Amino acid sequence: DSGVTQTPKHLITATGQRVTLRCSPRSGDLSVYWYQQSLDQGLQFLIQYYNGEERAKGNILERFSAQQFPDLHSELNLSSLELGDSALYFCASSSDTEAFFGQGTRLTVV
Amino acid sequence: GIQVEQSPPDLILQEGANSTLRCNFSDSVNNLQWFHQNPWGQLINLFYIPSGTKQNGRLSATTVATERYSLLYISSSQTTDSGVYFCAVASQSGGSNYKLTFGKGTLLTVNP
Repeated sequence: DSGVTQTPKHLITATGQRVTLRCSPRSGDLSVYWYQQSLDQGLQFLIQYYNGEERAKGNILERFSAQQFPDLHSELNLSSLELGDSALYFCASSSDTEAFFGQGTRLTVV
Repeated sequence: GIQVEQSPPDLILQEGANSTLRCNFSDSVNNLQWFHQNPWGQLINLFYIPSGTKQNGRLSATTVATERYSLLYISSSQTTDSGVYFCAVASQSGGSNYKLTFGKGTLLTVNP
């Protein structure tokens, strides 16, 4: 168990819909990272938050947004979903060195 | 951005065999991690190894930061070692930023 909790584990939704993925980091970790794993793009960094503030942005679409709350949990919001957004979404947390990953949320857009 | 290349892309072994997986990276890094993604999709931490050598049971890893490569050794492989092995690196751009860049992975299949 990495100590990083993601919910839900699986999500099936229709095109055009909006979903929210949730992540609770390891106790004491201030940084939260979101990654997307798809068959064609591999594992890609989306966005990082550190203690509530956006710290770095990667290949995140404008339809996607994230935030980190005062209790340090984070949410990734995906809107106007397309078939191509189907992927495994990971959250990771770190305390400035090693990153630990949650079990992921498998999103299927139909 | 930093580039990460892993080799070989695929590897098939018989149980009990040894293997070496390689990760080359294009720039200096201050974080390098090896992960094992199991068939259920979980990313399991194997090593945090920006430099030097570490061992954990049948697995060991070496990173030569000056030559920009890392090696993961698996000895006496077992069927449970099957899955994808990822190397990921980070080059801190400033304060608490360790976003990882992943290689494409090595798909390991260990046959009984």
